[in-house]
Amino acid sequence: AQSVTQPDIHITVSEGASLELRCNYSYGATPYLFWYVQSPGQGLQLLLKYFSGDTLVQGIKGFEAEFKRSQSSFNLRKPSVHWSDAAEYFCAVGINDYKLSFGAGTTVTVRA
Amino acid sequence: NAGVTQTPKFQVLKTGQSMTLQCAQDMNHEYMSWYRQDPGMGLRLIHYSVGAGITDQGEVPNGYNVSRSTTEDFPLRLLSAAPSQTSVYFCASSLQGRPLNTEAFFGQGTRLTVV
Repeated sequence: AQSVTQPDIHITVSEGASLELRCNYSYGATPYLFWYVQSPGQGLQLLLKYFSGDTLVQGIKGFEAEFKRSQSSFNLRKPSVHWSDAAEYFCAVGINDYKLSFGAGTTVTVRA
Repeated sequence: NAGVTQTPKFQVLKTGQSMTLQCAQDMNHEYMSWYRQDPGMGLRLIHYSVGAGITDQGEVPNGYNVSRSTTEDFPLRLLSAAPSQTSVYFCASSLQGRPLNTEAFFGQGTRLTVV
């Protein structure tokens, strides 16, 4: 069965420090991978997506993610975190034409 | 442009009551879906629709009904609410069903409590 694992439930990072959020997937075919962000009280917003090609993907708000097939990972990174990046982050895999399977999410706290 | 609009934002129900969560989008998207979000479980797909008159079940459909009479609207009905349905519900839409082609746009959610 397809699954998405986000090993870190909660991460605290200082403003200006780098951030990396981990995502591992289990899927038999070539995956279509996504990262979404959910700010408090809001819906989900797409940060970036990977379909094929270059394994380093650039997204909005200064985020990037790298697809590593050998590790079944799609980790999200940001070089310098801003206080506004405090949110919950979800990794998702497109498991067929119509369905997204989401990880449990990672909550990011940014301290001054 | 309103995007995806969900109503109500908050709702408290008693066990056994019924209600309908509304979802409307003004982007002429073909594909719409309902998810529920529970702590530690991410989002799970309840039902989805690939166009007017066509719906199908997701991974957690029990206790929920949907219909899609127009492109714009995709209501989610709880026939007899149970405490296990306490959750935050999100509606999403995309231009086409295939996630590999399009971005899913999410509403702001409905926080439902069943007592």
